[in-house]
Amino acid sequence: DVKVTQSSRYLVKRTGEKVFLECVQDMDHENMFWYRQDPGLGLRLIYFSYDVKMKEKGDIPEGYSVSREKKERFSLILESASTNQTSMYLCASRVQSTNEKLFFGSGTQLSVL
Amino acid sequence: QQQVKQSPQSLIVQKGGISIINCAYENTAFDYFPWYQQFPGKGPALLIAIRPDVSEKKEGRFTISFNKSAKQFSLHIMDSQPGDSATYFCAASLYNFNKFYFGSGTKLNVKP
Repeated sequence: DVKVTQSSRYLVKRTGEKVFLECVQDMDHENMFWYRQDPGLGLRLIYFSYDVKMKEKGDIPEGYSVSREKKERFSLILESASTNQTSMYLCASRVQSTNEKLFFGSGTQLSVL
Repeated sequence: QQQVKQSPQSLIVQKGGISIINCAYENTAFDYFPWYQQFPGKGPALLIAIRPDVSEKKEGRFTISFNKSAKQFSLHIMDSQPGDSATYFCAASLYNFNKFYFGSGTKLNVKP
């Protein structure tokens, strides 16, 4: 079974800190995604990557950047954390093209104080 | 502007009853409509999905009804069980599946 692992379940950071959220998948999937989940807003796409070193902005990329140096790992970076970035962050992966199914990690609940 | 609108926000159903969650979309180019189920502390997991060339898809107690002309689709959970208590998200995607637009979610509580 596919496993998408997010490094932290809970994270508390201070305003202005640089924050790294890590995600690793074990099924050699080409595509990886970062979503943000907020009550009443559903899941919103921040960034996705369709291959190593390739990335594309999603619907809410402002204040975020990403890094994909290896196929299995996709990192979300908050350059200078702000309180409005307090949220649940979900990483997902899928096979390119032939498979529509997204596999999600369990999420990282980030609190920015 | 939310591409997929989902209702209700929360739903309470008695065990054995039918749970119905509705979604509406605007973009007629959407080509794939999945439903994801999320339990507390877990990430969403694909439950069932449909393409617009069929009006209904059934998998066990879960059925998607799709109305292309009305641009609406719904999830029906028959014989709802307490174990179905979760948050449900509808979504829509274009043919390349690089972008999924999710609804706002419905928190379902099935009472024993």
